[in-house]
Amino acid sequence: AQSVAQPEDQVNVAEGNPLTVKCTYSVSGNPYLFWYVQYPNRGLQFLLKYITGDNLVKGSYGFEAEFNKSQTSFHLKKPSALVSDSALYFCAVRDWGGSYIPTFGRGTSLIVHP
Amino acid sequence: IAGITQAPTSQILAAGRRMTLRCTQDMRHNAMYWYRQDLGLGLRLIHYSNTAGTTGKGEVPDGYSVSRANTDDFPLTLASAVPSQTSVYFCASSDRTTSGEAFFGQGTRLTVV
Repeated sequence: AQSVAQPEDQVNVAEGNPLTVKCTYSVSGNPYLFWYVQYPNRGLQFLLKYITGDNLVKGSYGFEAEFNKSQTSFHLKKPSALVSDSALYFCAVRDWGGSYIPTFGRGTSLIVHP
Repeated sequence: IAGITQAPTSQILAAGRRMTLRCTQDMRHNAMYWYRQDLGLGLRLIHYSNTAGTTGKGEVPDGYSVSRANTDDFPLTLASAVPSQTSVYFCASSDRTTSGEAFFGQGTRLTVV
């Protein structure tokens, strides 16, 4: 079975400060990991993914994520937050040797204050 | 490129009525999914389809049915709507390789009264 946990319902950060949105996962094999963003009244949009290789993955809008196998984590980061980054963020996992169906976390609301 | 199109965008439905949410994709993806999104519960999988002609049950399938007559279309039907089915429904698709990301429609906001 595969699962994802996003331990924070909400993250607050001041504009210009670095941000981190946390994600931990559980899979029986090797993970494929994804981050999506959802703006109000919109569907989810793909941000970035980890498949293999470099543990630091760069994605859209200046976001990056770090894969840590020993801690089973895939935290989303950005060096300098923008007010326009305020949105709902979802982490998702697929098991490399298992189901292709993605399992999503419950989502973390990111609020960037001016 | 349209991606995934869902219809209607929103709907108010009387309890007991039948309703079909439409979903069409133009990316020739084999896999398609229906999720519902509820506050505090995230995205929950209702039904999925590996490929045209096959469907499977997800985490919360009760009260819903799907069909996959062709690659592009994946309608979701509520046979007899109940208020607990008030939610935002998202259709998504992906290729079947496990590295492929999912693409989502804009959602259907359904209110059952």
